[in-house]
Amino acid sequence: EDQVTQSPEALRLQEGESSSLNCSYTVSGLRGLFWYRQDPGKGPEFLFTLYSAGEEKEKERLKATLTKKESFLHITAPKPEDSATYLCAVQAGGANNLFFGTGTRLTVIP
Amino acid sequence: EPEVTQTPSHQVTQMGQEVILRCVPISNHLYFYWYRQILGQKVEFLVSFYNNEISEKSEIFDDQFSVERPDGSNFTLKIRSTKLEDSAMYFCASLQDYGYTFGSGTRLTVV
Repeated sequence: EDQVTQSPEALRLQEGESSSLNCSYTVSGLRGLFWYRQDPGKGPEFLFTLYSAGEEKEKERLKATLTKKESFLHITAPKPEDSATYLCAVQAGGANNLFFGTGTRLTVIP
Repeated sequence: EPEVTQTPSHQVTQMGQEVILRCVPISNHLYFYWYRQILGQKVEFLVSFYNNEISEKSEIFDDQFSVERPDGSNFTLKIRSTKLEDSAMYFCASLQDYGYTFGSGTRLTVV
């Protein structure tokens, strides 16, 4: 059975304190790994898609990496506006739908 | 940037009533999806729709649920007889070449 596990469940950082969020996955035939940001009461907002081990993508203070077992979302010098829940999702096998993890709730304190 | 639009943003309904949630996906996209998120839980796949028919559905998507594309722009999710456990955020999504774009959701509250 496909599994996506995100850790930690919650993370509090001081503004400027860099850290990483983890997404480990067990799926048959990974076709893509997706990172989303979700603000309270809103829909997931697309951040990155990674397709193969070794791939990296960057956007502003965020950098996503992928290995054969896990993905990391690195946040460099975060700001309070980076506070949100970060979701990891996989697309695997012959399916076109996404299988989500439970998310990491990030709080950045000024 | 193109958006997926969902209406209403919040709907309150009595148990046993029918509800229709509406979505306008991004034009020119071919795959459309419904997901739901019960409060405090993860986002769960319900159904995907391609070429005017269901292409995949999850175990959650039972006979109480149906989807339609009544015209060229709208995509609807109908719940025939709502239950308390149907209370959740419902998200519509459409597939672009780089990933999935989600709408802002409809919060369904069944009382």
